Amino acid sequence: GENVEQHPSTLSVQEGDSAVIKCTYSDSASNYFPWYKQELGKRPQLIIDIRSNVGEKKDQRIAVTLNKTAKHFSLHITETQPEDSAVYFCAASRGAYDMRFGAGTRLTVKP
Amino acid sequence: GAVVSQHPSWVICKSGTSVKIECRSLDFQATTMFWYRQFPKQSLMLMATSNEGSKATYEQGVEKDKFLINHASLTLSTLTVTSAHPEDSSFYICSASSFASYNEQFFGPGTRLTVL
Repeated sequence: GENVEQHPSTLSVQEGDSAVIKCTYSDSASNYFPWYKQELGKRPQLIIDIRSNVGEKKDQRIAVTLNKTAKHFSLHITETQPEDSAVYFCAASRGAYDMRFGAGTRLTVKP
Repeated sequence: GAVVSQHPSWVICKSGTSVKIECRSLDFQATTMFWYRQFPKQSLMLMATSNEGSKATYEQGVEKDKFLINHASLTLSTLTVTSAHPEDSSFYICSASSFASYNEQFFGPGTRLTVL
């Protein structure tokens, strides 16, 4: 089955700096790679996703890159703000099925 | 659009009792619903996948007789934790998807279960 590894587990940046979180996956059949932001006790919120036919996607301060050959994808947050502080999860799935989550990254943005 | 609700949002029960959690898609028909469990400071772990009108498919290590899943309609799935024990205490989150959502899963707000 799919195995998703995520690094780093914790990340602390100064407000305005960039943050990068990296994930690798094992199942070459995975074709959907979402990123979620989760605040304590709340549901995961989809912040950006990418499909296997695309190498990069950007939405304002957030971007995701996908390298299918190397089976890794990354989340980039630029101009970080204190409200970006949360736990971020990457995930990989085959269509809507078999979604596996990374272990999570606790991002802290210091004002 | 694409709103998923869960009920209850939290529940406290005694060891040995059963607890039912409902997951509803409010504004779309969910052909598939998923149940996840999340322990404190850990990731979401897929427990089972259910398609409307079919038996749920459970992940390895998840006891199907303990976690009963029913997906009787396109807008409702239920998870029943039978004979709950303290180690079942967790955050249970459902999600729903449809053919139109093309891979995206829409998450419910979660149910915090505490078994005393």
